[in-house]
Amino acid sequence: AQSVSQHNHHVILSEAASLELGCNYSYGGTVNLFWYVQYPGQHLQLLLKYFSGDPLVKGIKGFEAEFIKSKFSFNLRKPSVQWSDTAEYFCAVNTAAGNKLTFGGGTRVLVKP
Amino acid sequence: EAGVAQSPRYKIIEKRQSVAFWCNPISGHATLYWYQQILGQGPKLLIQFQNNGVVDDSQLPKDRFSAERLKGVDSTLKIQPAKLEDSAVYLCASSLRAADGYTFGSGTRLTVV
Repeated sequence: AQSVSQHNHHVILSEAASLELGCNYSYGGTVNLFWYVQYPGQHLQLLLKYFSGDPLVKGIKGFEAEFIKSKFSFNLRKPSVQWSDTAEYFCAVNTAAGNKLTFGGGTRVLVKP
Repeated sequence: EAGVAQSPRYKIIEKRQSVAFWCNPISGHATLYWYQQILGQGPKLLIQFQNNGVVDDSQLPKDRFSAERLKGVDSTLKIQPAKLEDSAVYLCASSLRAADGYTFGSGTRLTVV
């Protein structure tokens, strides 16, 4: 069975700082990778996804993620954060064999104005 | 398109009482999921339906939890009897294909006192 780990539980940074959130998964086969965001009081929303092709994926709101197969990683990045990026971010993975989406524990990001 | 609808948004019950949650997925989405998200953790899959059949319920506590998806559209998740540790947000999601990711509802926040 696949599993997902997110290294940071909480991140605090100032506006305009760069953000990088780590995500590692364990599964030996082909995977599909996702980042979801949950803004305060809102439902989970898809930020970006990777299935195949270019390992650098661009998503909404200036976010991007890089899939490094050799490291089983799919880190999320944003060059310059805004106060509105305050949210909880979840990395998730499913396998080519099935739909089951497995989530990491999440990282709470607080951007100070 | 309309999103995934869930009700109620909030529910407070006493332990040993029963409770039911309702979900209406996006029209045409054959796959429906129920997740449990305990505070400070990532969502955990409880059960996955493909049309009206169960695909995966390996993490559903079947002694107290039950779910059904009659006619392959709406779904209900029931807890009977509830325990304090069932306090969580119960998320419903649906998908057309694994490659599309999931669309989540706003969830039902359950508090068991």
